[in-house]
Amino acid sequence: DGGITQSPKYLFRKEGQNVTLSCEQNLNHDAMYWYRQDPGQGLRLIYYSQIVNDFQKGDIAEGYSVSREKKESFPLTVTSAQKNPTAFYLCASSSGGTNEKLFFGSGTQLSVL
Amino acid sequence: GENVEQHPSTLSVQEGDSAVIKCTYSDSASNYFPWYKQELGKGPQLIIDIRSNVGEKKDQRIAVTLNKTAKHFSLHITETQPEDSAVYFCAAVRSGGSYIPTFGRGTSLIVHP
Repeated sequence: DGGITQSPKYLFRKEGQNVTLSCEQNLNHDAMYWYRQDPGQGLRLIYYSQIVNDFQKGDIAEGYSVSREKKESFPLTVTSAQKNPTAFYLCASSSGGTNEKLFFGSGTQLSVL
Repeated sequence: GENVEQHPSTLSVQEGDSAVIKCTYSDSASNYFPWYKQELGKGPQLIIDIRSNVGEKKDQRIAVTLNKTAKHFSLHITETQPEDSAVYFCAAVRSGGSYIPTFGRGTSLIVHP
């Protein structure tokens, strides 16, 4: 089945540790996105990529990094510089261009130990 | 940039009642307005969308209306069922720009049996 897969579903981070969240899609979509979701805050854009080997900062990029070496993969690293990383992280993709519809993964819940 | 306000933040209804969620946007150039439904522990899914050249769109029990002059759009759910319980997000997209949606903060809809 075509879709977008996030792993792991739950992740725990220790102080000073970097952690990487995986996002893979087999929809042949050009564009991929990372959102952070906090209760009552809606969906806030961290990073997005509209094409391989290119990505742009979103509204809350500080403390995060991404790479887009392959079309189907867009991993997100939460660095130790992100002081409040506890949140639900959502990856999404779209075919890009004039197609604005987003397809979301099931999310990763990150918590700090 | 675009700003999307969504109300109410929580909506509680009895099964069979109607539910209405309202959003306003600030950028008059926005021309695509999707609605996403997020069930507990899952990623959001697109349920209906509308473009600025249309005033209303229906899909079975759900409908969306758009008032471009007032810059607001609404989601209407009729004959609500317990499985409609979820968080609903509205968004506004400016086609011709980066196509990145700006989301509202979400409405938690609770349908009581």
